Amino acid sequence: QSALTQPPSASGSPGQSVTISCTGTSSDVGAYNYVSWYQQQSGKAPKVMIYEVSKRPSGVPDRFSGSKSGYTASLTVSGLQAEDEADYYCSSNAGSNNYVFGTGTKVTVL
Amino acid sequence: QVQLQESGPGLVKPSQTLSLTCTVSGDSISNGDFYWSWIRQPPGKGLEWIGYIYYSGATYYSPSLKSRISISVDTSKNQLSLKLSSVTAADTAVYYCARAAGTWGNYLSPWGQGTLVTVSS
Repeated sequence: QSALTQPPSASGSPGQSVTISCTGTSSDVGAYNYVSWYQQQSGKAPKVMIYEVSKRPSGVPDRFSGSKSGYTASLTVSGLQAEDEADYYCSSNAGSNNYVFGTGTKVTVL
Repeated sequence: QVQLQESGPGLVKPSQTLSLTCTVSGDSISNGDFYWSWIRQPPGKGLEWIGYIYYSGATYYSPSLKSRISISVDTSKNQLSLKLSSVTAADTAVYYCARAAGTWGNYLSPWGQGTLVTVSS
């Protein structure tokens, strides 16, 4: 299986919005509503920000939102803050008990 | 709250077997609501799903690593383990364990802090 495709980088000024795409195939993103998004700050372990396409875990700011259309899922960070600067990875089921991650996107707050 | 902690050798020789343990606190590994996972990240690169295990012992592995992986649980110690055989330099990575929740364990939370394993002679 191949990694899901994400843009290498994205950026925005404080207060602006940034949207990251995650493109897969009919075997993963297109087949299941089990897309999750992880934030990885420098030197730290990843943390889930969105699961099952658009659900937000307790404690995650509502500035983070997720959606999906066809083979592409998206993560939007609204009202960018300095603390949002990190690497973001999507993940999807690729079969009932098989998973694939995205290539990762580095978000820079200008 | 739930915490996971990886442990094991930081250096493994090529062709040998990498062995890591993840100790879970704050939850029982026998909790049928979750799967228990391993993920790795080569230095400067992206995440790779390795596989996961259900408390019953049922295992599910990445197709690309399946021939070299073994994941097991020790419910008496509340630990899960990873063995990766015939390692090469390409297996150098930070290895994370994580709890997988949701249908089919479709999302990972929380994660351990990770442990760096270097494959080198």
